[in-house]
Amino acid sequence: GIQVEQSPPDLILQEGANSTLRCNFSDSVNNLQWFHQNPWGQLINLFYIPSGTKQNGRLSATTVATERYSLLYISSSQTTDSGVYFCAVEWSSNTGKLIFGQGTTLQVKP
Amino acid sequence: GAVVSQHPSWVICKSGTSVKIECRSLDFQATTMFWYRQFPKQSLMLMATSNEGSKATYEQGVEKDKFLINHASLTLSTLTVTSAHPEDSSFYICRGTVLGRDTFGSGTRLTVV
Repeated sequence: GIQVEQSPPDLILQEGANSTLRCNFSDSVNNLQWFHQNPWGQLINLFYIPSGTKQNGRLSATTVATERYSLLYISSSQTTDSGVYFCAVEWSSNTGKLIFGQGTTLQVKP
Repeated sequence: GAVVSQHPSWVICKSGTSVKIECRSLDFQATTMFWYRQFPKQSLMLMATSNEGSKATYEQGVEKDKFLINHASLTLSTLTVTSAHPEDSSFYICRGTVLGRDTFGSGTRLTVV
């Protein structure tokens, strides 16, 4: 099956710093999503981004499908950005299955 | 937007008992529901896929007789953990999809004592 690897596994930032999270995947994908999981477990979709670049406020994401990686940028980080960030890929066509990476745990210190 | 309501949010049960978790799609009809399990500080692992009116498809290594999934209607899917044991303690979360729209439930934290 497809392998989804995220790096770094853990990241500690001072408030106001910028960061880049990476997601590598081992095969072609139909879709790629970035999620933020809050301390209560709720998954919040940040981006649907099978290719290209998108921006939403302080967050942006870029997927280079031909090179099988995606990047999530967080600028001017805030303590509320803390949590676990997952990328998930839809691998096989028409199954709708999302396969998750292991996640990056982000802690933003005041 | 699409909402999936998952209940209960948390449950504690005794070893050997069964627990049912419900996921209801409130403003759309989820033709497909995916069930995931997440152990502490780990990723979400897909357990099974259920389509309305048909038997669930389980991922390799998931015991179908232990994790009973029912998707009897387009708005309700249930996961029953049968004869629960402490190693079944985990966070269970559902994901509903229809025609490219998907959303996750808020999850159920199961503790088996």
